Amino acid sequence: NAGVTQTPKFRILKIGQSMTLQCTQDMNHNYMYWYRQDPGMGLKLIYYSVGAGITDKGEVPNGYNVSRSTTEDFPLRLELAAPSQTSVYFCASSSWTSGDNEQFFGPGTRLTVL
Amino acid sequence: RKEVEQDPGPFNVPEGATVAFNCTYSNSASQSFFWYRQDCRKEPKLLMSVYSSGNEDGRFTAQLNRASQYISLLIRDSKLSDSATYLCVVFHTGGFKTIFGAGTRLFVKA
Repeated sequence: NAGVTQTPKFRILKIGQSMTLQCTQDMNHNYMYWYRQDPGMGLKLIYYSVGAGITDKGEVPNGYNVSRSTTEDFPLRLELAAPSQTSVYFCASSSWTSGDNEQFFGPGTRLTVL
Repeated sequence: RKEVEQDPGPFNVPEGATVAFNCTYSNSASQSFFWYRQDCRKEPKLLMSVYSSGNEDGRFTAQLNRASQYISLLIRDSKLSDSATYLCVVFHTGGFKTIFGAGTRLFVKA
């Protein structure tokens, strides 16, 4: 049981390039999330999904897109990368049973845009 | 005003000390409360959920005061391995929002 996996671990992009951050979970969780964490700051929600085919914007969605074609996968797409998108990106999943919402996080992707 | 506010610290304490972290939240509709732990350059991991009646897990005690919109975490008999950032997390279904505080850094020294 690998939990939540993310690829790549590190990436350097040039301004204007695009890329997809991959996220996969094997816990059969319905809920999945993408966060970004800037240095010394808390996590900010970019997008979330409550099930396959359903996605919604979080607090900071501009510059990003997501899709959820399967329960397991929740890729995050960056189009036209900008220096402001330099951050650590965490994917998470949860099952939200019994009113609780423990989220399980992947190891993160460290992205630098130069 | 931030939705979830924490003292950023850092807290520098000797081994064996008791340390308390505080957190306030602004949305009275918040439903679930958690403390997560984040080690340097690692992902956050759930430390414990916080219930209205208060709850304890070994050396860790969490308290929730809904009237004051205040959450606390008490760590007794601090260990070197407790050194980390502690994140206060608030969840409410309105907008399906999970709000993370910026975290409080703890350094436990020998």
